[in-house]
Amino acid sequence: DAGVIQSPRHEVTEMGQEVTLRCKPISGHDYLFWYRQTMMRGLELLIYFNNNVPIDDSGMPEDRFSAKMPNASFSTLKIQPSEPRDSAVYFCASSLRRGLRGYTFGSGTRLTVV
Amino acid sequence: AQTVTQSQPEMSVQEAETVTLSCTYDTSESDYYLFWYKQPPSRQMILVIRQEAYKQQNATENRFSVNFQKAAKSFSLKISDSQLGDAAMYFCAYLRAQKLVFGQGTRLTINP
Repeated sequence: DAGVIQSPRHEVTEMGQEVTLRCKPISGHDYLFWYRQTMMRGLELLIYFNNNVPIDDSGMPEDRFSAKMPNASFSTLKIQPSEPRDSAVYFCASSLRRGLRGYTFGSGTRLTVV
Repeated sequence: AQTVTQSQPEMSVQEAETVTLSCTYDTSESDYYLFWYKQPPSRQMILVIRQEAYKQQNATENRFSVNFQKAAKSFSLKISDSQLGDAAMYFCAYLRAQKLVFGQGTRLTINP
């Protein structure tokens, strides 16, 4: 298996633009998570899905952030409009069995908003 | 709320020596899972080891082992025979209700 695949690896955008981050989980995994990593706040859970259904989005910072999972093999995290404070590394992760064996993470997207 | 505390922002060790990274957590639950993740400069988050709270035996994976003290809510990671490739950020994490909560991390430097 190729693992969790995220794209793009790096994204630089101007303030006010829409940004879409993409994730392909491991086939057969039924949970998908989006995390954000910053120096100040560390790793924060933004939202997670079970069987393509959003379960907990309490970590989404504000309405500018949205996430979808239209099928078991694809998810997106969208920021519209983007702001400089959104600059961070965004990770996608997937798991089986409610994460009891841990999550498998993608390699992350480094987002820079200028 | 569950919190995870890593009190050592940075640690360093000589190659081939042993180092222990500390982690404490706060929970009112009796059944839970704990993990250590490694994040090298490549940015990839890599699972190092996991511990099930109901198991008294400490988990071991090759050169990596944990010292799990449930009553003290302590979960330290021991790396034996440190290698240059062990240099990374190490994160302790607590799992409950499918959600992983991470500590702030410890940056480990390996001195040749």
